[in-house]
Amino acid sequence: EVEVVESGGGLIQPGGSLRISCEVSGFSLSVFWMYWVRQAPGKGLVWVSRSNGDGTITNYADSVRGRFTISRDNAKNTLYLQMNSLRAEDTAVYYCARDNRNLGLDSWGQGILVTVSS
Amino acid sequence: QSVLTQPPSVSAAPGQKVTISCSGSSSNIGNNYVSWYQHLPGTAPKLLIYDNDKRPSGIPDRFSGSKSGTSATLGITGLQTGDEADYYCETWENSLTFNVLFGGGTKLTVL
Repeated sequence: EVEVVESGGGLIQPGGSLRISCEVSGFSLSVFWMYWVRQAPGKGLVWVSRSNGDGTITNYADSVRGRFTISRDNAKNTLYLQMNSLRAEDTAVYYCARDNRNLGLDSWGQGILVTVSS
Repeated sequence: QSVLTQPPSVSAAPGQKVTISCSGSSSNIGNNYVSWYQHLPGTAPKLLIYDNDKRPSGIPDRFSGSKSGTSATLGITGLQTGDEADYYCETWENSLTFNVLFGGGTKLTVL
């Protein structure tokens, strides 16, 4: 059974850094593109970043480029999102999702809350 | 404000049919596949439709998708109270940098 579980969220001060993780099971992480998508309170889903199977190709939304870094440890079946220079507007539930070979984001985690506030 | 435009809300009675529109442009919907997701806040979003009109395994045929030009539509027939959720369209955008777009979301209320 495919499972996606995010962890590492919490309260962080503006300007601070945080790394969130996404551990997967039931499939080989190295075969799939993986995405981070976030949802700010009361708002809709917004794409943040994606990474190909071996982590050599990464893309970012304009709002996070230069501040966030996506990476992965396929041996540990874990995807990461390193978030630096955090702002209040980064406050959101962050979801990790699998891209099933361009057939849509077919497996998602429950999300992890990141709150940026002093 | 999202580049993909969805109605903020739709409603219908149990057993009825509803459609949710997603309007974009030639740089996104017009030249790329559209997916649709169902989302209850606090839970994992669920893929309903991919490649404009295909259903993943396990998604009932009450859910359908279509695309025409720069717009896409999600249809739900035989509405059930369990269908109450937020629905999002999603596609890629052709630009200098890779970009994924989600619609603003549509809240479905089953009266």
